[in-house]
Amino acid sequence: QVQLQQSGPGLVKPSQTLSLTCAISGDSVSSNTWNWVRQSPSRGLEWLGRTYYRSKWSVDYAVSVKSRITISPDTSKNQFSLQLSSVTPEDTAVYYCGRNPAEVSTITDWGQGTLVTVSS
Amino acid sequence: DIVMTQSPDSLAVSLGERATINCKSSQSVLYSSKNYLAWYQQKPGQAPKLLIYWASTRESGVPDRFSGSGSGTDFTLTISSLQAEDVAVYFCQQHSSLPLTFGGGTKVEIK
Repeated sequence: QVQLQQSGPGLVKPSQTLSLTCAISGDSVSSNTWNWVRQSPSRGLEWLGRTYYRSKWSVDYAVSVKSRITISPDTSKNQFSLQLSSVTPEDTAVYYCGRNPAEVSTITDWGQGTLVTVSS
Repeated sequence: DIVMTQSPDSLAVSLGERATINCKSSQSVLYSSKNYLAWYQQKPGQAPKLLIYWASTRESGVPDRFSGSGSGTDFTLTISSLQAEDVAVYFCQQHSSLPLTFGGGTKVEIK
């Protein structure tokens, strides 16, 4: 059974960088596709981006955050991370990591969620 | 981006009765004879849980009172006999193209 365990700070100051990690058990970060999604009352569920390995590592990002986001794998720790720079209060949301098996093409397993508040 | 529109925003159904949620996509999510439409259930304080993908394929372990139907741009999630544990918010999501996009959600309550 796949489990995703998120970690990272719940409070980030404006203009700083939000950093979250998703540790994977029961699967390998080098298999399947790994996503970040956030949820807020104002924006609903919003897909942010993904990473996957198909002969080489690739990423896809939502246009709305493309200039500020980095999703990267860490094969040594079997995890992947999200970095979102220059945050504003509008980035306040619950952030989720998610697994997307190749055979299904959508997110089947989710992390527990991390509420990140952007405030000074 | 494909815009997903759900209706109604909320509904109240008696225990044992049928609940029906609609979802419309701004463009077709049918590709190679599969409809790339998923349904999720979310309870307070929890992550979304996948119920159905490819419009009508039930995820392993999901009770058979949940069913999905539709094709192209119009889809429906039906709960055939509402149970107390089904109280939640339900989201549709297209997985046909990036960015993945979600509907605004439908809150299901007990009447």
